[in-house]
Amino acid sequence: GQQLNQSPQSMFIQEGEDVSMNCTSSSIFNTWLWYKQDPGEGPVLLIALYKAGELTSNGRLTAQFGITRKDSFLNISASIPSDVGIYFCAGFNQAGTALIFGKGTTLSVSS
Amino acid sequence: EAGVAQSPRYKIIEKRQSVAFWCNPISGHATLYWYQQILGQGPKLLIQFQNNGVVDDSQLPKDRFSAERLKGVDSTLKIQPAKLEDSAVYLCASSLTRQETQYFGPGTRLLVL
Repeated sequence: GQQLNQSPQSMFIQEGEDVSMNCTSSSIFNTWLWYKQDPGEGPVLLIALYKAGELTSNGRLTAQFGITRKDSFLNISASIPSDVGIYFCAGFNQAGTALIFGKGTTLSVSS
Repeated sequence: EAGVAQSPRYKIIEKRQSVAFWCNPISGHATLYWYQQILGQGPKLLIQFQNNGVVDDSQLPKDRFSAERLKGVDSTLKIQPAKLEDSAVYLCASSLTRQETQYFGPGTRLLVL
């Protein structure tokens, strides 16, 4: 079945540093979504990408939909302590009916 | 606007017992989803409702899991009997339509001993 592979699995950075994480698949996805999950909460949508090559920003976050439609990356600039959490990429299955999630990248920020 | 509500937030049971979770989606959202999130994994879809009809339950272990959304609003997910491997967070999400953004509730954390 379709799978999403996220890397790195975890990151430990200093406040103020930039962060980059990515998501790859052997299958083509027509939509890429990036979610953040805080401890004890459900995932919250950060950015949605709908077209190959699309580059979208949301504040300090920037995400891109890969040209091959098999990958996406998320960048966070000038990290702050509240960026701590688990970041998931997700895409719709081939039928377009269900979201498939990656295993997540856990981000830790030290001040 | 109120978000997706779930209860209980935590539940501890012994294996072979039964448990039920409740979800109240965002008002007006036609589509409701139940996900299972095992520690260290991303959410995995269990079942999807469009109003009170099931759209996709292909990943629901139907021998022990059941879900309903009788009036097209609230939903319950039941496990009977529970196994150790059912220990996970059960997330409910809702969206206006199947193509719209999904909004997640805080989840119910289940521990099966």
